[in-house]
Amino acid sequence: ETGVTQSPTHLIKTRGQQVTLRCSSQSGHNTVSWYQQALGQGPQFIFQYYREEENGRGNFPPRFSGLQFPNYSSELNVNALELDDSALYLCASTQDKGYYGYTFGSGTRLTVV
Amino acid sequence: AQSVTQPDIHITVSEGASLELRCNYSYGATPYLFWYVQSPGQGLQLLLKYFSGDTLVQGIKGFEAEFKRSQSSFNLRKPSVHWSDAAEYFCAVGVAGGGADGLTFGKGTHLIIQP
Repeated sequence: ETGVTQSPTHLIKTRGQQVTLRCSSQSGHNTVSWYQQALGQGPQFIFQYYREEENGRGNFPPRFSGLQFPNYSSELNVNALELDDSALYLCASTQDKGYYGYTFGSGTRLTVV
Repeated sequence: AQSVTQPDIHITVSEGASLELRCNYSYGATPYLFWYVQSPGQGLQLLLKYFSGDTLVQGIKGFEAEFKRSQSSFNLRKPSVHWSDAAEYFCAVGVAGGGADGLTFGKGTHLIIQP
């Protein structure tokens, strides 16, 4: 059973650019959630996708958007990058929306310069 | 809205000594409570969780936690720490009944193990 994999592991972008982060969910999981973890902070919930539809969203602006594909993998897109978007982005997958079964990936470290 | 407070930013413990990490939550109903551990450059690993029932919960790696409703606390304990326990520990709370609101995490406690 494979776990949650995220790509890339690190990337550097310039302010104002757009970025796409990718997540492959654990086998058998149909729900993917994304979290942002700033340095020295706990993760903050961005949104959740269940069966290709967004079914929950945290306090993040619309320039944070996502997709979930038929194979339940997911993308996080961030437009108009700001310096404060620099963080570790974590993806978690689970079955049927319940976070009691979360499996987290190792994250993508995004640096905005 | 729910919130989580981890009062200790850093804790230093000698190897072999006991450990207690504090967590206080704010939530109007019965919460779902979690403890996660994060090693440098890694994602989050679930140590244990509480949904209902017995208020003393056993987890992996010898950790346990006790839910105390009267104190709104869910403290993590381990009787004897090992050097490999050095990591960042996060307490989290969730809304009972679903995951659409995600988990709310505390800011974490950095655990340092002295030889």
